[in-house]
Amino acid sequence: QKEVEQDPGPLSVPEGAIVSLNCTYSNSAFQYFMWYRQYSRKGPELLMYTYSSGNKEDGRFTAQVDKSSKYISLFIRDSQPSDSATYLCAMSGQINTGTASKLTFGTGTRLQVTL
Amino acid sequence: GAGVSQSPSNKVTEKGKDVELRCDPISGHTALYWYRQSLGQGLEFLIYFQGNSAPDKSGLPSDRFSAERTGGSVSTLTIQRTQQEDSAVYLCASSFTINQPQHFGDGTRLSIL
Repeated sequence: QKEVEQDPGPLSVPEGAIVSLNCTYSNSAFQYFMWYRQYSRKGPELLMYTYSSGNKEDGRFTAQVDKSSKYISLFIRDSQPSDSATYLCAMSGQINTGTASKLTFGTGTRLQVTL
Repeated sequence: GAGVSQSPSNKVTEKGKDVELRCDPISGHTALYWYRQSLGQGLEFLIYFQGNSAPDKSGLPSDRFSAERTGGSVSTLTIQRTQQEDSAVYLCASSFTINQPQHFGDGTRLSIL
């Protein structure tokens, strides 16, 4: 079983919809949680970076972390065709846990926003 | 430059040849990371540098893989005696220091014939 599970999709939604993307994880050492967006033939682009549990909002994007359930989410409001990409969750832990020096990624969810 | 720069963007080589991949991190970032992205395996960690030292090399898949970093800046990932299973996109990332947000380059797409 992988440390981070993410539904690969593809997920297809109409323009303007609210998109919900999720990851679950098994390693309780993870404390830092990230969402990256990756367009075809490009590197991952950091969207959201959160520490521990709680919510963080940035424009149309909201990240939620529930450490008690080992579950993280990314919500995209008013989705646009330009949001069509692969979304990767990633996480790491504190320095003394052996998980600080690398990101552990989900497999990515492919999102298609249609006109 | 403003972002992480990687070169070459594409590399095609024959099985058995050696290849060198280069990463130029964001100026001032002390931490540098190499990852590999392939269809079957997703994004996998290879090695982490803090300054010129590599305290975590746990992701390097075999002794054919090595990396160095000089001057606390540019890093080179070397793959010796390439095999077809080495075909992947090799991504470099940098961060101000450990446990800070990592920013990625666009990668080197490596194809082994």
